[in-house]
Amino acid sequence: ILNVEQSPQSLHVQEGDSTNFTCSFPSSNFYALHWYRWETAKSPEALFVMTLNGDEKKKGRISATLNTKEGYSYLYIKGSQPEDSATYLCALLGSARQLTFGSGTQLTVLP
Amino acid sequence: NAGVTQTPKFQVLKTGQSMTLQCAQDMNHEYMSWYRQDPGMGLRLIHYSVGAGITDQGEVPNGYNVSRSTTEDFPLRLLSAAPSQTSVYFCASDSDGQGYGYTFGSGTRLTVV
Repeated sequence: ILNVEQSPQSLHVQEGDSTNFTCSFPSSNFYALHWYRWETAKSPEALFVMTLNGDEKKKGRISATLNTKEGYSYLYIKGSQPEDSATYLCALLGSARQLTFGSGTQLTVLP
Repeated sequence: NAGVTQTPKFQVLKTGQSMTLQCAQDMNHEYMSWYRQDPGMGLRLIHYSVGAGITDQGEVPNGYNVSRSTTEDFPLRLLSAAPSQTSVYFCASDSDGQGYGYTFGSGTRLTVV
């Protein structure tokens, strides 16, 4: 069973602030790491699929890094906007292509 | 392109009743999964499938059955509903697991009374 932890559990930032949160895992026995964005009353939407060995991805103001050696992935949001408010989920992809999710970081961006 | 379609969106069951949550995708994805979402616990994997005719148990499979007779459909059956199965259920599919991430359905909110 894959183990994945996310921190912090929740976060409030002001509009325009940059922020980041962490996904950590004790073992690198997985195939890929996924980040999802989950808005209230909607379904999770894929942000990034991180392959192993120091991958970095960027989409607009959001970027992610993966360090399998140290056992963490960071998600960064530059210049947060109210529409960035959501829960951000990290998930590890196992050998049968099944996902194991962390409990998420709930981000609130205050105008 | 409908993506992943889940039905029904809402359901209330009495304890002991059985029902099937439907999930269909039109993207020819091999991989399909069912998750339940409970407050403070994130998304937990119930069952998953790597292709037609192949299913396996996830983290919380007890009380649920699945089958995958076609690539498109992956129904989740509750055999005898219990209040502990009150949750929001999500179905998701992916093509190869390392491409663009899973596509999720809109969810089914189930209440067992």
